[in-house]
Amino acid sequence: GQNIDQPTEMTATEGAIVQINCTYQTSGFNGLFWYQQHAGEAPTFLSYNVLDGLEEKGRFSSFLSRSKGYSYLLLKELQMKDSASYLCAVRPLNDYKLSFGAGTTVTVRA
Amino acid sequence: SQTIHQWPATLVQPVGSPLSLECTVEGTSNPNLYWYRQAAGRGLQLLFYSVGIGQISSEVPQNLSASRPQDRQFILSSKKLLLSDSGFYLCAWGPNEQFFGPGTRLTVL
Repeated sequence: GQNIDQPTEMTATEGAIVQINCTYQTSGFNGLFWYQQHAGEAPTFLSYNVLDGLEEKGRFSSFLSRSKGYSYLLLKELQMKDSASYLCAVRPLNDYKLSFGAGTTVTVRA
Repeated sequence: SQTIHQWPATLVQPVGSPLSLECTVEGTSNPNLYWYRQAAGRGLQLLFYSVGIGQISSEVPQNLSASRPQDRQFILSSKKLLLSDSGFYLCAWGPNEQFFGPGTRLTVL
């Protein structure tokens, strides 16, 4: 199986930057995904990394280091609507499934 | 563009009653389909996935079953619900990244 670890909770101020770390151990690797899930709603896809490096999408960026089994999601210029749970997920090699971490709840305060 | 539908949105059922949740995808063909459950305040648990019509892989040996009678239709069923079956049921599709439907919130009383 896969072990995926991410912090349980983080709190930040509106306008600030928050970095959510995710570490994983997997037998083979075929991509790392980040999802956002607002309370009571379904997860929505944010980003996908399969090669090392940084992927930027507006205020959100995701980084991957395959050799370290490590990724982070960077949220810049935080807004109140960014308060949500952020899920890290890994796809093992030759597998159709994603393994999800337990999620990090981010609370943005004014 | 692709869309995914789930119904019903909410459901309250007594213990021991049957269950049928439906998921359909539009705008794509031969998608990989997935059923997840999320208990209150918990992470996503993969229940079943399917890579083609009639093909079902089970991840959790519980009182649930899944079927894929058509290419873009995925059904989750139970003959007798347990209290522990309460949760948020999510259907997803995708060749690579997974896209989730709106979910069904099930309460078993």
